[in-house]
Amino acid sequence: DGGITQSPKYLFRKEGQNVTLSCEQNLNHDAMYWYRQDPGQGLRLIYYSQIVNDFQKGDIAEGYSVSREKKESFPLTVTSAQKNPTAFYLCASSIHGPGGTGELFFGEGSRLTVL
Amino acid sequence: GESVGLHLPTLSVQEGDNSIINCAYSNSASDYFIWYKQESGKGPQFIIDIRSNMDKRQGQRVTVLLNKTVKHLSLQIAATQPGDSAVYFCAERNQAGTALIFGKGTTLSVSS
Repeated sequence: DGGITQSPKYLFRKEGQNVTLSCEQNLNHDAMYWYRQDPGQGLRLIYYSQIVNDFQKGDIAEGYSVSREKKESFPLTVTSAQKNPTAFYLCASSIHGPGGTGELFFGEGSRLTVL
Repeated sequence: GESVGLHLPTLSVQEGDNSIINCAYSNSASDYFIWYKQESGKGPQFIIDIRSNMDKRQGQRVTVLLNKTVKHLSLQIAATQPGDSAVYFCAERNQAGTALIFGKGTTLSVSS
């Protein structure tokens, strides 16, 4: 089945450690996104990529890094510079047509807890 | 700046009632809006979308209304069921057309 796979589902990290969250899609979508969700909050955009080897910062990119070496993969690294990394991380993809991005298809999320 | 908000963080209804979830947006130039449903611990799921050249769009048991004059979006759910209990988010496309900007969400609780 086509979809978006995020891993791991749960992750624990000690302060000062970098951690990488995986996101893979087999929908043949050009655009991919990372959002962060905190309790009682909406989704805030971290980074997005409209095409391979290109990505842009979202609203809260500080302390995060991404790469887009393959169309189907968009890993997110949460670095030690991120002050408050404990959150629920959501990856999404979309078809990006001439009119702009449309419906986002989301993965099931990765919950990161910093101990 | 771009921001999307919802009027009420929680909404409680009885099974069988109609639910209305509201959302206010700030960017008058936004051309695309979308509603998502998120169940606990899961990723958001698409419900319905609407473009700015429309005022209303209907799906199965759901209707989205767009009032561009007051920059207001609403989601109506007919005959609400316990399975509709979730957090509902509205979102608008950003000015560059490259991403969606989400509101904070309304938690809908349906009691039997």
